Amino acid sequence: DVKVTQSSRYLVKRTGEKVFLECVQDMDHENMFWYRQDPGLGLRLIYFSYDVKMKEKGDIPEGYSVSREKKERFSLILESASTNQTSMYLCASSPGLASTYEQYFGPGTRLTVT
Amino acid sequence: SQELEQSPQSLIVQEGKNLTINCTSSKTLYGLYWYKQKYGEGLIFLMMLQKGGEEKSHEKITAKLDEKKQQSSLHITASQPSHAGIYLCGAVLAGGTSYGKLTFGQGTILTVHP
Repeated sequence: DVKVTQSSRYLVKRTGEKVFLECVQDMDHENMFWYRQDPGLGLRLIYFSYDVKMKEKGDIPEGYSVSREKKERFSLILESASTNQTSMYLCASSPGLASTYEQYFGPGTRLTVT
Repeated sequence: SQELEQSPQSLIVQEGKNLTINCTSSKTLYGLYWYKQKYGEGLIFLMMLQKGGEEKSHEKITAKLDEKKQQSSLHITASQPSHAGIYLCGAVLAGGTSYGKLTFGQGTILTVHP
């Protein structure tokens, strides 16, 4: 079974802190994704990566950056956390094109910024 | 407005009743996915549809993609409390990048009363 793990299920940070969210997948997938989920808005893509050290902006990249130094690990960084970044963050991975392959999701990290 | 619209936004049914959730776009859908999410957790893959007119079933859940590939429906027969959760549709929309950007609907919250 594909497994996507996220470093924390719940996280509370203060405004202005630098926050790291880690995601690891164990199936050698090429593509990895970071989404945030907010009520009434569904999932919105923040960044994705189709190869090591490669990244592409999604729909809402402002205030976020990412790092992919190894194929299995994709990190989301909030350089200076703000209260409007309080949300559920979901990581996903897939072996190929989204039109052909499903995305496998991690359990999510619920981040609260106070 | 959302590029992928789900309706209804929430649904409350009595156990044993049938129900339908719709997912609609003005653009052609390539690779339409249905996911289920338990509150506060990650997404679980249900089904993927690719061809116009395609229909798939798993246990009591049936998903269809219309001939024009612009609308999908998810139908649950004889609902049970275990069906409760958030249902999300996701798709690659015409004009998206080939690296697999999925666009998601805002989700449908399903409550099943015993």
